[in-house]
Amino acid sequence: DVKVTQSSRYLVKRTGEKVFLECVQDMDHENMFWYRQDPGLGLRLIYFSYDVKMKEKGDIPEGYSVSREKKERFSLILESASTNQTSMYLCASSLGGWGANQPQHFGDGTRLSIL
Amino acid sequence: AQKITQTQPGMFVQEKEAVTLDCTYDTSDQSYGLFWYKQPSSGEMIFLIYQGSYDEQNATEGRYSLNFQKARKSANLVISASQLGDSAMYFCAMITTSGGYQKVTFGTGTKLQVIP
Repeated sequence: DVKVTQSSRYLVKRTGEKVFLECVQDMDHENMFWYRQDPGLGLRLIYFSYDVKMKEKGDIPEGYSVSREKKERFSLILESASTNQTSMYLCASSLGGWGANQPQHFGDGTRLSIL
Repeated sequence: AQKITQTQPGMFVQEKEAVTLDCTYDTSDQSYGLFWYKQPSSGEMIFLIYQGSYDEQNATEGRYSLNFQKARKSANLVISASQLGDSAMYFCAMITTSGGYQKVTFGTGTKLQVIP
């Protein structure tokens, strides 16, 4: 079974802090994704990566950056946390390749609160 | 542009009964995948079932089946013999690949509550 592990289930940080959310997958997937989920807005894509050291902006990248130094690890960084970044953050991974309409597998999510 | 529509914000079902969660989609791509995820109150997104656009048979996984009607662009999830543990949010999603990149579109979800 695919295992996607997010470093924290719950996290509380203060405004202005630099926040790191870590995600590790163990299935050698090429693709990794970061979403945030808010009531009434559904899942929104923040950033994604199709290869090591490669990143692409999703729909709402402002205020975030990412890092993918190793294939199995994809980090989301909040450069200077703000209260409007309080949300549920979900990491996902999937197989890559052309025409690979394969499902994304998700981690357990991180509920982040910015005070 | 891709779009997923789930028209049922909430559903109730009696324990042991079957329930159908609706999903319609829109895409101009010929090749795509359709998925259903379950999200319990604890927050994790659990992959349930997958249907490829070229698959002729409807997908089934245990008590879950996907009623795929390509001409009508619908991909409804059927849960048979509902259990209390099925109470959760259910999301329909579509994935397409363009230029080597995946694009995933999620519906807004249906909250299912199973009544004892």
